[in-house]
Amino acid sequence: QVQVVESGGGLVKPGGSLRLSCAASGFNFSDYFMTWIRQAPGKGLEWVSYISSSSTYIKYADSVKGRFTISRDNAKNLLYLQTNSLRVDDTAVYYCARGDGGKYPSSYYFYGMDVWGQGTTVIVSS
Amino acid sequence: SYDLTQPPSVSVSPGQTARITCSGDALPRQYAYWYQQKPGQAPVVVIYKDRERPSGIPERFSGSSSGRTVTLTISGVQAEDEADYYCQSADSTGTSYIVFGGGTKLTVL
Repeated sequence: QVQVVESGGGLVKPGGSLRLSCAASGFNFSDYFMTWIRQAPGKGLEWVSYISSSSTYIKYADSVKGRFTISRDNAKNLLYLQTNSLRVDDTAVYYCARGDGGKYPSSYYFYGMDVWGQGTTVIVSS
Repeated sequence: SYDLTQPPSVSVSPGQTARITCSGDALPRQYAYWYQQKPGQAPVVVIYKDRERPSGIPERFSGSSSGRTVTLTISGVQAEDEADYYCQSADSTGTSYIVFGGGTKLTVL
């Protein structure tokens, strides 16, 4: 069935790094935008980043720009999020989700997310 | 930055109709999605592109749009519908950012 499974979370000290992974199955991964969304303890959902099917279009939330890098390997059906310079307020469950988006001749659109993983927990603490 | 505004909480009795609103300047131009999240679980999309219902989502869930406001309606609410609901859209100012509303806690009395 269609699913995405995150991994790579853990406990890290402020200033540290983690690489999160998301394994996709049950659909043609290379056809879809993919996203990362996070949820701090007791808080709402916060979009982090998305990447287009061929990595042409990438966007980051202002809160992570310059510290996080999204990437994908279409041959392996894997999505990544490299998180650097982690801060205490990056503590959250990080969700991978399939995106509903597509390309125009010289642009793209992105609407929302239709398949979510169960999340991986990142705790940033000294 | 672009905001989506939801009421923090909505309460209804079983069998009644729950309406959860979401307001934002870009909503006349951008699609809205609605996600249901139960405690300890990942979000699940219940409405996409303002009013489309994914397969497997009960017919009692519906979406509508009018100007700056989109509405998630749950007709004949059941106890299992108690959850947090988030609206989501895209910023239309050129940033192409994805934005979530603050979430609405639906309590079934």
